Amino acid sequence: EVQLVESEGGLVQPGGSVRLSCAASGFSFSNHWMHWVRQAPGKGLVWVSRINRDGSMTGYVDSVKGRFTVSRDNAKNTLYLQMNSLRAEDTAMYYCARDFDSGDGHWGQGTLVTVSS
Amino acid sequence: QSALTQPPSASGSPGQSVTISCTGTSGDVGVSKYVSWYQQHPGKAPKVMIYEVNKRPSGVPDRFSGSKSGNTASLTVSGLQAEDEAEYFCSSYAVSSDIYVFGTGTKVTVL
Repeated sequence: EVQLVESEGGLVQPGGSVRLSCAASGFSFSNHWMHWVRQAPGKGLVWVSRINRDGSMTGYVDSVKGRFTVSRDNAKNTLYLQMNSLRAEDTAMYYCARDFDSGDGHWGQGTLVTVSS
Repeated sequence: QSALTQPPSASGSPGQSVTISCTGTSGDVGVSKYVSWYQQHPGKAPKVMIYEVNKRPSGVPDRFSGSKSGNTASLTVSGLQAEDEAEYFCSSYAVSSDIYVFGTGTKVTVL
């Protein structure tokens, strides 16, 4: 069974940092592009970032460029999102997803990151 | 890159059909074959219902169908059932900027 389990996000102060992780199991992790998608409370979905199979190519939405870094460790079957210089508007549920827009897409259950003093 | 435009709400009685639009631009929906639709129930992760404009993943009922014309994609849910009540989002790969864009979301109510 495909499983994607995000680490706990939590409360972070403005300007602070947090690293999210997403543990993958039940499939060949290194064979898939991975994505992060976020959803502010009561709002819509926003694509945040993607990384290719070997980690050599990444992409970001403009609002997080220069602040967020996506990475992966295929030996550990784990996806990461390093989030720096956090702002109130980064408060959201963060989902990791495998091939999210494909017929074989899978999403994690999400982890809430709250940026507040 | 702006979000794709969807109507905030749609509704229908059980057994009826409802169609949701998703309007983008010539840089995303208009040129991309990667247009998808997601169903999200409250407190749950999204689930893909349609991918690549009109393909259904295994396990999704054939009551769900997708299409595209120009810069607008559409999701039709036929034979509405109570469990179809949810929020629906579209997404598209934006070829011109190499990112993905989601729609604003449509709340579907089964009357």
